[in-house]
Order: sequence, then C-alpha cells, then structure tokens
Amino acid sequence: NAGVMQNPRHLVRRRGQEARLRCSPMKGHSHVYWYRQLPEEGLKFMVYLQKENIIDESGMPKERFSAEFPKEGPSILRIQQVVRGDSAAYFCASSPNRGTEAFFGQGTRLTVV
Amino acid sequence: EDKVVQSPLSLVVHEGDTVTLNCSYEVTNFRSLLWYKQEKKAPTFLFMLTSSGIEKKSGRLSSILDKKELFSILNITATQTGDSAIYLCAVEALGTGGFKTIFGAGTRLFVKA
Repeated sequence: NAGVMQNPRHLVRRRGQEARLRCSPMKGHSHVYWYRQLPEEGLKFMVYLQKENIIDESGMPKERFSAEFPKEGPSILRIQQVVRGDSAAYFCASSPNRGTEAFFGQGTRLTVV
Repeated sequence: EDKVVQSPLSLVVHEGDTVTLNCSYEVTNFRSLLWYKQEKKAPTFLFMLTSSGIEKKSGRLSSILDKKELFSILNITATQTGDSAIYLCAVEALGTGGFKTIFGAGTRLFVKA
C-alpha cells in the first residue's frame, strides 16, 4: 500500500504563472487535507475535501487558490497568478475517516521567482 | 480564536539526555491532540491523545494529555541524534463544516553526539 503521493516534489514558477499541485491519497482513504508550511512557521490548514466535495476551506485564501478532489484521479491544489509570497512547502494528508490520524505526503516545494 | 502553542521553540541537548516538549491549546470543541515528528520530509504520526491522564508510549517516546489544564507533553528519554527533528503538536476541534486541525509552530530539537 503506497503512501500518500504528491507531485511534483519541486515546482518553480515565475510570478503570474499557475501552479498545480497533485495529491494521491493512500488506498482506501477518501479524506484529503492540504496544508501550507511557510519558512520558519508551522503547518497551516488550508482545505479539507472528501471525494467531489469541499468540506472546509476556511484556511484557503479567498483569491487565486482553489482545490478539488474529483471522483477519479488525484486531488489538485491550484494557485493562479502566483506571487513570491506563495513560495512554501505544500503538504497533503489523507485519512480513511475524519477524526483519525492523517498520513502525510512528502510535500511539494513551490518556489516563485 | 483557536490556537496551539508549543514550547520551547528550539532545544539543543546531548545524546542520552531526557527532553520534555510542551503543547498548550485553546480551542472550542476539542476532540483530540496529535503529535508528529517532521524531519526533512513529511510529518510522521507519533501519538493521538483523546483522554486525560492516560500515557501513550512508543519505545523511548511517551506522551500524556491534561484536558483540565489544556496541555500535553511529549517526553523523549535517552535521546539519540536520530531524534533531531521538528516535533509538531496538532489539535483537532469541531469547526465550520466539520473537524479542523490546528498545528503549533513546532519545537526544533537538535541532539548533539
């Protein structure tokens, strides 16, 4: 059973471009969470999704950020018109049920130049 | 506002020392407290605590929760250089749209040989 898979591991984008981060949860997990870790800061919750539904997006910036978890395929975190402040590590985690421990992917390190 | 505060922010010890990491929280509708270890990759799960006063143990690591005083400690005995990492405390609470997870900023532990 493969763990949570995120790709790409490293992503470099110029200001104004779009960044698409992918997360494939562990087999049997239908709950996906996205977190952002800024340099020298802790993990910050962004969004919680179940298959085809956004359950809680209270941590998502109101503009430029969106997330989806389609019926088939990985969860996608999309950042439009990236700015330097978006540079961070983005972690995805999955769990089989809400309220159980989540397993993290290796993260995608986004660098905006 | 819900918050999780970890202390100390960083700690340097020698191999063989015992360390205690602290996590205090203020959240509405607490459900559980989790500890993670983060090295240069994704956080890995250590413990989930839901009940006061019951110690959880895994090898040289142990943790306990005090729901009255709203804190948890993570103990590491006979530390080794491989224990060097960021230790993250997270609290799961009932929020808008369901449960949400709030992370502390982490404690950076460095164990010297």
